[in-house]
Amino acid sequence: GESVGLHLPTLSVQEGDNSIINCAYSNSASDYFIWYKQESGKGPQFIIDIRSNMDKRQGQRVTVLLNKTVKHLSLQIAATQPGDSAVYFCAESYSGSARQLTFGSGTQLTVLP
Amino acid sequence: GAGVSQSPSNKVTEKGKDVELRCDPISGHTALYWYRQSLGQGLEFLIYFQGNSAPDKSGLPSDRFSAERTGGSVSTLTIQRTQQEDSAVYLCASSSQSGGGGPDTQYFGPGTRLTVL
Repeated sequence: GESVGLHLPTLSVQEGDNSIINCAYSNSASDYFIWYKQESGKGPQFIIDIRSNMDKRQGQRVTVLLNKTVKHLSLQIAATQPGDSAVYFCAESYSGSARQLTFGSGTQLTVLP
Repeated sequence: GAGVSQSPSNKVTEKGKDVELRCDPISGHTALYWYRQSLGQGLEFLIYFQGNSAPDKSGLPSDRFSAERTGGSVSTLTIQRTQQEDSAVYLCASSSQSGGGGPDTQYFGPGTRLTVL
């Protein structure tokens, strides 16, 4: 079946640098994408979302880019801080799926001092 | 404001016993989801409730799993005759979608960590 996956399982960045977390999806019918952050022992926390009619969306220190041509999603975190250390999941859904989310396996982001 | 709450936070049980996990969604949210997260993995969809409609049970892994939602609010996920492979974190999410239009953000609770010995 189709799935959402991440290119890299781990990512280490220096504090203050920018982080880029990538995600590939294979379901061309997906029309909604979300990035979640999950800290140890906690539930996923919403970061930012984007609909398929958009290419880019910005939030506070975060930007999500969507490239539908190659079915690629990325999360950019500006000026990465120690509190950004967590597992980041991309998730996708489409209107025909009762809006259930299909999650990738996650990327562990570690911010180095 | 109050988010999604789940209880218990941790549950240890013996193989073959039944367990009940509870979810209190955000007040006013009509949609409620259950997911399962195995160690180091992403989330796996289990079941979805939307208002008074029949639930979407397409993600339930076996007939040992069932869920109900009373009064359109609190939900209980029941696992009968638990097996060791049921050990995981069970996460509940809710959203305010009305059933039409685009999807709304799902907000997650802290999860229940289930350990089957």
